[in-house]
Amino acid sequence: AQSVTQLGSHVSVSEGALVLLRCNYSSSVPPYLFWYVQYPNQGLQLLLKYTSAATLVKGINGFEAEFKKSETSFHLTKPSAHMSDAAEYFCAVSGGATNKLIFGTGTLLAVQP
Amino acid sequence: DSGVTQTPKHLITATGQRVTLRCSPRSGDLSVYWYQQSLDQGLQFLIQYYNGEERAKGNILERFSAQQFPDLHSELNLSSLELGDSALYFCASSVEGSGAHNEQFFGPGTRLTVL
Repeated sequence: AQSVTQLGSHVSVSEGALVLLRCNYSSSVPPYLFWYVQYPNQGLQLLLKYTSAATLVKGINGFEAEFKKSETSFHLTKPSAHMSDAAEYFCAVSGGATNKLIFGTGTLLAVQP
Repeated sequence: DSGVTQTPKHLITATGQRVTLRCSPRSGDLSVYWYQQSLDQGLQFLIQYYNGEERAKGNILERFSAQQFPDLHSELNLSSLELGDSALYFCASSVEGSGAHNEQFFGPGTRLTVL
């Protein structure tokens, strides 16, 4: 069975500050891990993915995430927040025979001027 | 624009009714997935089709059914609708049915409101 836990349903940062969104996973098979972003009234857009190659994954819009097997974590970071980063972020896991995504509950990121 | 299209964008209907949501995957993608996003349940996987065949099933109610047609578009049928079925329904597509580099591309969603 697979699951994802996102710590913090709401995170608020100042513009220019570090963004850190936390994700821990549980998986009985080698996991593939993803971060998606959802802007208001839009679909989900893939930010980045981990597929067992490099443990530090770089994505779009300056985001990156590090896969830490010992901590079962896949936290999302961005060095400097921008107002346009305000959105909801979802961590997801897949693996095994199908490609279905198991999502976390999401973290709503607010960026204060 | 992900290349995945969903129609309609909004749907308002009454309890007990039946609706059909349509999804066209990206060109070349063989796999289609349906997800439901609601305030109380979050984002949940419903069902996956690969090249016309059902590949995986998630938390899909018996009142719901889906199919993928020879041209690879998919339809999600929701019947005997209840207030709790109000949600955003997403379709996603990928090239294959599984695999390491098989990312899913999401459509804009259909917002269903049951009154």
